[in-house]
Amino acid sequence: GNSVTQMEGPVTLSEEAFLTINCTYTATGYPSLFWYVQYPGEGLQLLLKATKADDKGSNKGFEATYRKETTSFHLEKGSVQVSDSAVYFCALSAAGGATNKLIFGTGTLLAVQP
Amino acid sequence: DAGVIQSPRHEVTEMGQEVTLRCKPISGHNSLFWYRQTMMRGLELLIYFNNNVPIDDSGMPEDRFSAKMPNASFSTLKIQPSEPRDSAVYFCASSPGQPYPQYGYTFGSGTRLTVV
Repeated sequence: GNSVTQMEGPVTLSEEAFLTINCTYTATGYPSLFWYVQYPGEGLQLLLKATKADDKGSNKGFEATYRKETTSFHLEKGSVQVSDSAVYFCALSAAGGATNKLIFGTGTLLAVQP
Repeated sequence: DAGVIQSPRHEVTEMGQEVTLRCKPISGHNSLFWYRQTMMRGLELLIYFNNNVPIDDSGMPEDRFSAKMPNASFSTLKIQPSEPRDSAVYFCASSPGQPYPQYGYTFGSGTRLTVV
């Protein structure tokens, strides 16, 4: 079946450090891939997405590239800020079935210290 | 568009009372999802609807939980009777549905439920 595995947190970084949060997936066919972010006290927000192999999603300085050969969609940012502290969820959506059900990873807590 | 609207934002109730959570999806979205989030269990899918019809309710924890979607613009999640272990943040999300898997979901701000 379809599944998403992401690195466990918490990830603690100093401001301006480089960020990588690993995400790998298992899916049949060609899923769409997403990163969602949840700031404290809020709902999940779509951060970026990629819909086919080799696509790069980007937003707010974050990037992730859809790698079919390694079934990965790692999230990266060159220089994190304190305001990036949040929980990050990797997810996939596979076509087919009654609806486009999203499969979420368990979430990774990022804490950025000044 | 105002996004997915949930009410109330916070609910505190006594054990044994009935609780009703409400959700208004984005107009034109034909899929609606109810999630529960806790520290212990993370994000759990409870039930989802497509074109107002429940498709999969296997995530509903027990018979005390029920969900309805009487029309395309409104859904409720009811807990009766409520118990302290139901305390969590409940999220509603909507999506354009098939054949648009690339659009993902839009989440509401959640309802924080506390059962004392």
